[in-house]
Amino acid sequence: QITLKESGPALVKPTQTLTLTCTFSGFSLTTRGVAVGWIRQPPGKALEWLASIHWNDDKIYSPSLQSRLTITKGTSTDQVVLTMTNMDPADTGTYYCGNKRGYYDKYFESWGPGTLVTVSS
Amino acid sequence: QSALTQPASVSGSPGQSITISCTGTSSDVGTFKAVSWYQQHPGTAPRLVIYDVASRPSGVSSRFSGSKTGNTASLTISGLQAEDEGDYYCMSHTSSSTFLFGGGTTVTV
Repeated sequence: QITLKESGPALVKPTQTLTLTCTFSGFSLTTRGVAVGWIRQPPGKALEWLASIHWNDDKIYSPSLQSRLTITKGTSTDQVVLTMTNMDPADTGTYYCGNKRGYYDKYFESWGPGTLVTVSS
Repeated sequence: QSALTQPASVSGSPGQSITISCTGTSSDVGTFKAVSWYQQHPGTAPRLVIYDVASRPSGVSSRFSGSKTGNTASLTISGLQAEDEGDYYCMSHTSSSTFLFGGGTTVTV
């Protein structure tokens, strides 16, 4: 059974850096083809893909946010970390992580429950 | 990269069929067999209901089906049920190896 769970601060101040952790089980990020991605959703708005990291450490970022994002494998083999710099109130929303299971898969099979991040002074 | 285009809302009566469209470009929807659809109920995480344009994950009702013509993909829900109410999002892989979501469609039964 695949599970993912996001964790991080619920509140950050403008200009601060956000660090989120996705802790997962039921798959390994060392298996060929596997990837973990981050997706966010502002309140009442649409989903937005942010970044993905693959089993071979390849990293892909949203072109519009690339300068602010860094995705890495965590110190634990079952974690992926996303950092976003220079946070703004417009970055308020629920942040999800999801998994891609196979080499040719181009979708997120399972998602975590999400973590709400509010950007406010 | 602009979001994929979906209708804001679609409604139908119980038992009817509805179709949600998702329009992109030749750099995303039109090029790849890599369109997926997600169902989201209020306050919950999205759930995959269709992948690779028309494939259904295990456990998803056969009432959900997908198709694609040119730069437009579609999700059809047949035999509409109250539990199908919620928001639906399409997503496509792109020629830049990124992902694009649609703006979302609210389904009302």
